[in-house]
Amino acid sequence: DVKVTQSSRYLVKRTGEKVFLECVQDMDHENMFWYRQDPGLGLRLIYFSYDVKMKEKGDIPEGYSVSREKKERFSLILESASTNQTSMYLCASSPRLGSSGNTIYFGEGSWLTVV
Amino acid sequence: AQSVTQLDSQVPVFEEAPVELRCNYSSSVSVYLFWYVQYPNQGLQLLLKYLSGSTLVKGINGFEAEFNKSQTSFHLRKPSVHISDTAEYFCAVSDMDSSYKLIFGSGTRLLVRP
Repeated sequence: DVKVTQSSRYLVKRTGEKVFLECVQDMDHENMFWYRQDPGLGLRLIYFSYDVKMKEKGDIPEGYSVSREKKERFSLILESASTNQTSMYLCASSPRLGSSGNTIYFGEGSWLTVV
Repeated sequence: AQSVTQLDSQVPVFEEAPVELRCNYSSSVSVYLFWYVQYPNQGLQLLLKYLSGSTLVKGINGFEAEFNKSQTSFHLRKPSVHISDTAEYFCAVSDMDSSYKLIFGSGTRLLVRP
């Protein structure tokens, strides 16, 4: 079974704090993703990484950065948290193109509240 | 750019009744299509996917979906729902030439009543 683990399920942070969301996958997948989920908007891609130290901006990268120093770990960083970043954050991973029908596997999500 | 429309934000249905959740995508280029389910307080789980071949795709938990290229649709169906099917369902699409990137619809909440 593919396992994508997000270190924190529920976080409460103050405006202006630096926030780290950590994600680890155990299937040696090349691709990792961070999505944000908001009611009525579905999932929106924040950042994507296709290899160690490689990243691409998704649809809503503003206010976020990412780090991928090891293949299994992908971190999302909020440099200065704001209340409009209160949301559910989902990490996901997938193997390199073509090897399993492009299925993306998700973690259980991290609920972030910024006060 | 590719987009996905799930017209129904919520679908209430009685237990053991059939259900159809609608999904339309914008582009007629070659695509991969997916349905994911999200149970309360959990991440997303793959229900089924269409990559190629037969247009009728069967997934887990008795769900199936039909790919209709001319109508750019990928509707999800189940002939008889259970209370445990109550969840949010997301349709997603990726272009074959950038297939790492999934575009999601806004989701449909299926509410099964006894």
